[in-house]
Amino acid sequence: QKEVEQNSGPLSVPEGAIASLNCTYSDRGSQSFFWYRQYSGKSPELIMFIYSNGDKEDGRFTAQLNKASQYVSLLIRDSQPSDSATYLCAVQMRFGAGTRLTVKP
Amino acid sequence: KAGVTQTPRYLIKTRGQQVTLSCSPISGHRSVSWYQQTPGQGLQFLFEYFSETQRNKGNFPGRFSGRQFSNSRSEMNVSTLELGDSALYLCASSGGRGMGLSGANVLTFGAGSRLTVL
Repeated sequence: QKEVEQNSGPLSVPEGAIASLNCTYSDRGSQSFFWYRQYSGKSPELIMFIYSNGDKEDGRFTAQLNKASQYVSLLIRDSQPSDSATYLCAVQMRFGAGTRLTVKP
Repeated sequence: KAGVTQTPRYLIKTRGQQVTLSCSPISGHRSVSWYQQTPGQGLQFLFEYFSETQRNKGNFPGRFSGRQFSNSRSEMNVSTLELGDSALYLCASSGGRGMGLSGANVLTFGAGSRLTVL
């Protein structure tokens, strides 16, 4: 079992829709959770981090954490073509394989 | 504020050779971590150094090693290169002041060193 698992996708949504990205992890003692975005040919960059159960919002992005279910998600509201990228879930310092998101105009 | 600097950006080696990659973290960052990224395996954790000590290690063979210097700069070395070592090697630094417990673990990545093994 991989430490951090994500649906590899690809995920395609129309412009203006909500994109939902999911991640599960195996280490129940994990304390810090991150979402990174990686554009093709570029390095990953942080979107947001979360460490408490519940929701955390930052602009169009909302991260959700459920430690009991060992589940982290990222919602992108009003998706834009510029959001098209691979989204990486990280738990502590371990990364999932990433979900490729395409937002169609 | 300078970002994370990795050198060289591109290199080509042949099987059996060894390679050393360098990473200069953001000023003030004390943690440097290394990752291997391939299309098939995604971003895989190699190791993390903090204050010149290896603090975490991934599941890579002993051919992969690293070190960190007193100025926080880090190097990683791969010996006896194999074709499967061809990848993008990313370095990330973290541990800036004033970011709080979780924020301190936020990784800032360099542009990477792309290694091709022939």
